Amino acid sequence: EVQLVESGGGLVPPGGSLRLSCAASGFTFSASYMHWVRQAPGKGLELVANINKDETEKHYVDSVRGRFTISRDNAKNSLYLQMNDLRAEDTAIYHCVRGAGWIQDYWGQGTLVTVSP
Amino acid sequence: DIVMTQSPDSLAVSLGERATINCRSSQSLLSNSDNKNYFAWFQQKPGQPPELLIYWASTRKSGVPDRFSGSGSGTDFTLTISTLQAEDVAVYYCQQYYGGPITFGQGTRLEIK
Repeated sequence: EVQLVESGGGLVPPGGSLRLSCAASGFTFSASYMHWVRQAPGKGLELVANINKDETEKHYVDSVRGRFTISRDNAKNSLYLQMNDLRAEDTAIYHCVRGAGWIQDYWGQGTLVTVSP
Repeated sequence: DIVMTQSPDSLAVSLGERATINCRSSQSLLSNSDNKNYFAWFQQKPGQPPELLIYWASTRKSGVPDRFSGSGSGTDFTLTISTLQAEDVAVYYCQQYYGGPITFGQGTRLEIK
């Protein structure tokens, strides 16, 4: 059974930093494209970043480029999102998502990030 | 970026009746190289993460009930629920994975009439 468990969310002031983690199990993590997708409270879905299996390709949405960094550790079956210079508009639930190629076929429950003074 | 626009924003349908949700993309999602539409539908129930229902515009994910079907090609796509069940109450999102950043529609809220 595919499982994706996010952690690391919390309350942080504007300008602060957080590092999100996603523990993956039930599939061959090292062979999978991975994504972070966020959902602001009561809003829709937005891709934040994605990464290929060997970290040679990383893509970011314009609003986070230069502030967020996606990475992975295939030996630990883990995906990460380092978030710096956080803004109020980054407040959202952040989901870790497995990619079967480009198809986002399994989603974690998510971790809530709240940016507020 | 490719813009995805869903209609309607909300929909109320009686149990056992048909529900139809539409999605339009700002450019074609049909690949000339493999003749596939890079398009998916997701269902999000309250308090839950989204779940993939359909990919390649019309392929149901394993385990998805066959009352859910996807159709369309190019820029216009449709999700049809043939006989609405109470457990289908959710927000439905379309998504393109054709090019640029993956983008989603704004969502359609489906309720029971």
